[in-house]
Amino acid sequence: SSELTQDPSVSVALGQAVRITCQGDSLRAFFASWYQQKPGQAPTLIISNKNNRPSGIPDRFSGSFSGDTASLTITGAQTEDEADYYCNSRDISGNFLVFGGGTKLTVL
Amino acid sequence: QVHLVQSGAEVKKPGASVKVSCKVSGSILTELSVHWVRQAPGKGLEWLGGFDPEDGEEIYAPQFTGRLTMSADTSTDTAYMELSSLRSEDTAVYYCATELFMDLEYWGQGTLVSVSS
Repeated sequence: SSELTQDPSVSVALGQAVRITCQGDSLRAFFASWYQQKPGQAPTLIISNKNNRPSGIPDRFSGSFSGDTASLTITGAQTEDEADYYCNSRDISGNFLVFGGGTKLTVL
Repeated sequence: QVHLVQSGAEVKKPGASVKVSCKVSGSILTELSVHWVRQAPGKGLEWLGGFDPEDGEEIYAPQFTGRLTMSADTSTDTAYMELSSLRSEDTAVYYCATELFMDLEYWGQGTLVSVSS
Protein backbone atom coordinates (compact mmCIF):
# COMPACT_ATOMS: atom_id res chain seq x y z
CA SER A 1 0.00 0.00 0.00
CA SER A 2 1.10 3.57 -0.66
CA GLU A 3 1.52 6.27 1.98
CA LEU A 4 0.11 8.69 -0.59
CA THR A 5 -3.51 8.06 -1.55
CA GLN A 6 -4.97 8.89 -4.95
CA ASP A 7 -8.35 8.09 -6.48
CA PRO A 8 -7.82 5.23 -8.96
CA SER A 9 -9.78 6.92 -11.73
CA VAL A 10 -11.28 10.27 -12.60
CA SER A 11 -13.17 11.41 -15.68
CA VAL A 12 -13.73 14.85 -17.15
CA ALA A 13 -15.63 16.24 -20.10
CA LEU A 14 -13.55 17.73 -22.88
CA GLY A 15 -12.74 21.35 -22.11
CA GLN A 16 -13.82 21.16 -18.49
CA ALA A 17 -11.68 21.46 -15.36
CA VAL A 18 -10.66 18.51 -13.24
CA ARG A 19 -8.82 18.13 -9.95
CA ILE A 20 -6.73 15.09 -9.04
CA THR A 21 -5.82 14.78 -5.37
CA CYS A 22 -3.06 13.12 -3.38
CA GLN A 23 -3.50 12.69 0.36
CA GLY A 24 -0.95 11.66 2.97
CA ASP A 25 0.35 12.59 6.42
CA SER A 26 3.82 13.31 5.03
CA LEU A 27 2.35 16.10 2.92
CA ARG A 28 1.99 18.18 6.07
CA ALA A 29 5.80 18.39 6.03
CA PHE A 30 6.85 17.83 2.42
CA PHE A 31 5.67 19.11 -0.93
CA ALA A 32 4.61 16.86 -3.78
CA SER A 33 5.48 16.73 -7.44
CA TRP A 34 3.27 15.39 -10.21
CA TYR A 35 4.02 13.11 -13.15
CA GLN A 36 2.06 12.25 -16.26
CA GLN A 37 2.46 8.85 -17.87
CA LYS A 38 0.96 7.81 -21.18
CA PRO A 39 0.78 4.15 -22.28
CA GLY A 40 4.16 2.72 -23.20
CA GLN A 41 6.03 5.86 -22.18
CA ALA A 42 8.21 6.90 -19.27
CA PRO A 43 6.67 9.31 -16.77
CA THR A 44 7.10 13.04 -17.34
CA LEU A 45 7.42 15.66 -14.59
CA ILE A 46 4.57 18.14 -15.07
CA ILE A 47 4.47 19.97 -11.71
CA SER A 48 7.53 20.33 -9.49
CA ASN A 49 7.32 20.22 -5.70
CA LYS A 50 7.56 24.01 -5.79
CA ASN A 51 4.42 24.05 -7.93
CA ASN A 52 6.34 25.10 -11.02
CA ARG A 53 5.76 23.78 -14.51
CA PRO A 54 8.86 22.56 -16.37
CA SER A 55 9.49 24.04 -19.77
CA GLY A 56 7.04 22.79 -22.36
CA ILE A 57 4.25 21.87 -19.93
CA PRO A 58 1.01 23.70 -20.85
CA ASP A 59 -0.24 26.30 -18.39
CA ARG A 60 -3.57 24.49 -18.05
CA PHE A 61 -1.73 22.27 -15.51
CA SER A 62 -1.33 23.68 -12.00
CA GLY A 63 -0.62 22.41 -8.52
CA SER A 64 -1.77 23.39 -5.04
CA PHE A 65 -1.58 22.27 -1.40
CA SER A 66 -3.91 22.30 1.55
CA GLY A 67 -3.19 20.53 4.82
CA ASP A 68 -2.34 16.93 4.03
CA THR A 69 -3.51 17.06 0.43
CA ALA A 70 -1.80 18.04 -2.79
CA SER A 71 -3.90 18.71 -5.87
CA LEU A 72 -3.27 18.76 -9.58
CA THR A 73 -5.76 20.82 -11.56
CA ILE A 74 -6.20 20.71 -15.31
CA THR A 75 -8.15 23.71 -16.53
CA GLY A 76 -9.75 22.91 -19.87
CA ALA A 77 -8.87 19.25 -20.27
CA GLN A 78 -7.79 18.09 -23.72
CA THR A 79 -7.93 14.63 -25.28
CA GLU A 80 -4.13 14.44 -25.08
CA ASP A 81 -4.37 14.81 -21.30
CA GLU A 82 -5.82 11.32 -21.02
CA ALA A 83 -3.11 9.52 -19.05
CA ASP A 84 -2.10 8.20 -15.65
CA TYR A 85 -1.07 10.80 -13.09
CA TYR A 86 1.16 10.12 -10.09
CA CYS A 87 2.08 12.26 -7.11
CA ASN A 88 5.47 11.83 -5.45
CA SER A 89 6.90 13.07 -2.17
CA ARG A 90 8.78 11.84 0.86
CA ASP A 91 7.40 9.30 3.30
CA ILE A 92 6.53 10.26 6.87
CA SER A 93 10.09 9.59 8.06
CA GLY A 94 11.43 11.98 5.42
CA ASN A 95 14.09 9.48 4.38
CA PHE A 96 12.51 7.88 1.34
CA LEU A 97 10.59 8.89 -1.75
CA VAL A 98 7.14 7.45 -2.30
CA PHE A 99 4.60 7.55 -5.10
CA GLY A 100 0.86 7.69 -4.89
CA GLY A 101 -1.00 4.78 -6.41
CA GLY A 102 -1.82 6.78 -9.53
CA THR A 103 -5.01 8.22 -11.05
CA LYS A 104 -6.21 7.24 -14.50
CA LEU A 105 -7.76 10.29 -16.17
CA THR A 106 -10.37 9.75 -18.86
CA VAL A 107 -11.40 12.68 -21.06
CA LEU A 108 -14.94 12.19 -22.32
CA GLN B 1 19.20 18.98 -21.87
CA VAL B 2 19.97 15.81 -19.96
CA HIS B 3 19.30 12.55 -21.80
CA LEU B 4 19.29 9.10 -20.22
CA VAL B 5 19.65 5.91 -22.28
CA GLN B 6 19.14 2.56 -20.58
CA SER B 7 20.30 -0.91 -21.50
CA GLY B 8 18.07 -3.40 -23.27
CA ALA B 9 15.48 -5.86 -22.02
CA GLU B 10 16.55 -8.77 -19.84
CA VAL B 11 15.09 -12.20 -19.18
CA LYS B 12 16.23 -13.86 -15.97
CA LYS B 13 15.46 -16.98 -13.98
CA PRO B 14 14.33 -16.82 -10.35
CA GLY B 15 17.26 -16.45 -8.00
CA ALA B 16 19.47 -14.74 -10.58
CA SER B 17 20.67 -11.13 -10.61
CA VAL B 18 20.17 -8.39 -13.16
CA LYS B 19 22.22 -5.27 -13.78
CA VAL B 20 20.68 -2.37 -15.68
CA SER B 21 22.71 0.55 -16.98
CA CYS B 22 21.73 4.17 -17.49
CA LYS B 23 24.04 6.32 -19.61
CA VAL B 24 23.88 10.06 -19.14
CA SER B 25 24.46 12.65 -21.84
CA GLY B 26 24.03 16.41 -21.78
CA SER B 27 25.59 16.58 -18.33
CA ILE B 28 28.16 14.76 -16.26
CA LEU B 29 27.17 12.09 -13.81
CA THR B 30 28.90 13.69 -10.83
CA GLU B 31 26.52 16.64 -11.13
CA LEU B 32 23.45 14.42 -10.97
CA SER B 33 21.63 12.31 -8.42
CA VAL B 34 20.28 9.21 -10.13
CA HIS B 35 17.27 7.37 -8.80
CA TRP B 36 15.61 4.15 -9.86
CA VAL B 37 11.88 3.51 -10.16
CA ARG B 38 10.07 0.44 -11.36
CA GLN B 39 6.62 -0.37 -12.68
CA ALA B 40 5.18 -3.88 -12.68
CA PRO B 41 2.80 -4.72 -15.54
CA GLY B 42 -0.46 -2.81 -15.09
CA LYS B 43 0.70 -1.37 -11.77
CA GLY B 44 1.88 1.97 -10.42
CA LEU B 45 5.31 3.47 -9.93
CA GLU B 46 7.55 2.20 -7.12
CA TRP B 47 10.68 4.01 -5.95
CA LEU B 48 13.68 1.74 -5.43
CA GLY B 49 16.42 4.09 -4.31
CA GLY B 50 18.77 6.91 -5.18
CA PHE B 51 22.51 7.39 -5.61
CA ASP B 52 24.60 10.51 -5.66
CA PRO B 53 27.85 9.71 -7.54
CA GLU B 54 29.58 12.82 -6.25
CA ASP B 55 29.54 11.83 -2.58
CA GLY B 56 28.74 8.15 -2.95
CA GLU B 57 25.66 8.42 -0.75
CA GLU B 58 23.09 5.72 -1.44
CA ILE B 59 19.63 5.36 -0.06
CA TYR B 60 17.44 2.36 -0.67
CA ALA B 61 13.75 1.79 -0.14
CA PRO B 62 13.47 -0.51 2.92
CA GLN B 63 11.87 -3.35 0.95
CA PHE B 64 14.95 -3.58 -1.31
CA THR B 65 17.72 -3.25 1.27
CA GLY B 66 20.07 -6.21 0.91
CA ARG B 67 18.97 -7.02 -2.65
CA LEU B 68 19.60 -3.75 -4.44
CA THR B 69 22.94 -2.18 -5.29
CA MET B 70 23.34 1.12 -7.09
CA SER B 71 26.67 2.21 -8.50
CA ALA B 72 28.20 4.48 -11.07
CA ASP B 73 31.13 4.71 -13.45
CA THR B 74 31.93 8.39 -13.66
CA SER B 75 34.47 7.81 -16.44
CA THR B 76 31.64 6.80 -18.77
CA ASP B 77 28.83 8.79 -17.10
CA THR B 78 26.89 5.58 -16.55
CA ALA B 79 24.80 4.63 -13.53
CA TYR B 80 23.92 1.05 -12.66
CA MET B 81 21.23 -0.74 -10.71
CA GLU B 82 21.72 -4.38 -9.73
CA LEU B 83 18.90 -6.41 -8.18
CA SER B 84 19.69 -9.86 -6.83
CA SER B 85 17.67 -12.92 -5.75
CA LEU B 86 15.12 -12.18 -8.43
CA ARG B 87 11.59 -13.49 -8.10
CA SER B 88 8.60 -13.36 -10.42
CA GLU B 89 7.27 -10.27 -8.62
CA ASP B 90 10.35 -8.36 -9.79
CA THR B 91 9.10 -8.51 -13.36
CA ALA B 92 8.74 -4.84 -14.25
CA VAL B 93 9.98 -1.95 -16.33
CA TYR B 94 12.87 -0.33 -14.50
CA TYR B 95 13.51 3.38 -15.00
CA CYS B 96 16.43 5.60 -14.08
CA ALA B 97 15.72 9.25 -13.43
CA THR B 98 17.69 12.29 -12.30
CA GLU B 99 16.60 13.91 -9.05
CA LEU B 100 16.83 17.59 -8.21
CA PHE B 101 15.32 18.84 -4.94
CA MET B 102 13.07 15.77 -4.82
CA ASP B 103 11.80 16.22 -8.38
CA LEU B 104 12.56 13.41 -10.84
CA GLU B 105 13.34 15.64 -13.80
CA TYR B 106 14.69 13.46 -16.56
CA TRP B 107 13.84 9.81 -17.17
CA GLY B 108 15.35 7.00 -19.16
CA GLN B 109 13.25 5.07 -21.63
CA GLY B 110 12.87 2.10 -19.30
CA THR B 111 14.25 -1.44 -19.28
CA LEU B 112 11.93 -4.45 -19.13
CA VAL B 113 13.18 -7.14 -16.77
CA SER B 114 11.26 -10.40 -17.00
CA VAL B 115 11.74 -13.08 -14.36
CA SER B 116 10.49 -16.50 -15.32
CA SER B 117 11.52 -20.10 -14.93
